[in-house]
Amino acid sequence: QKEVEQDPGPLSVPEGAIVSLNCTYSNSAFQYFMWYRQYSRKGPELLMYTYSSGNKEDGRFTAQVDKSSKYISLFIRDSQPSDSATYLCAMKNSGAGSYQLTFGKGTKLSVIP
Amino acid sequence: EAGVTQFPSHSVIEKGQTVTLRCDPISGHDNLYWYRRVMGKEIKFLLHFVKESKQDESGMPNNRFLAERTGGTYSTLKVQPAELEDSGVYFCASSQATDRGYGYTFGSGTRLTVV
Repeated sequence: QKEVEQDPGPLSVPEGAIVSLNCTYSNSAFQYFMWYRQYSRKGPELLMYTYSSGNKEDGRFTAQVDKSSKYISLFIRDSQPSDSATYLCAMKNSGAGSYQLTFGKGTKLSVIP
Repeated sequence: EAGVTQFPSHSVIEKGQTVTLRCDPISGHDNLYWYRRVMGKEIKFLLHFVKESKQDESGMPNNRFLAERTGGTYSTLKVQPAELEDSGVYFCASSQATDRGYGYTFGSGTRLTVV
């Protein structure tokens, strides 16, 4: 079983739609949860991070973590064509000196004008 | 502030040749990381430098890969000799000393093709 599972899509939505992206994981030691956005031919760019369980909101983006279900989500409200990119979830544990990120495969999102 | 810079952006080499990838982190960032994405797979951790010291190299696939970080500044990743399965995109990232491991800034990557 992979440590992090993420549906690669592709996902295509009309402009203005609410987008829901999610990942499941198996490693109970993961404490930090991140969402990265990657445009074509670019490196991943950190969008949001959450420590442990709960919700975090930043503008049109909301990240949710449910540790009991080992499930994380990213919601994008009022999606824009500029949101078209690959979205990667990433996780790491809280061990001292532990800096490794474990990534999902990424979900390719297209927002159609 | 300049971002993380990687050279070259693309490299095509023959099996058995040597390739050296370079990463210039953000100035002042003590932490430097190498990651790799093989086609169809997830981005995977290779190693982590703190200044010039290797903190964690548990993700390095084998001894054909050698990473160095001269004087705690730029880093190089050498593959010698290259094999077909080494093809992929190699990402470098850096973060500040106080970072808890999630404030990475990634470079655009080096796309390596071994033929």
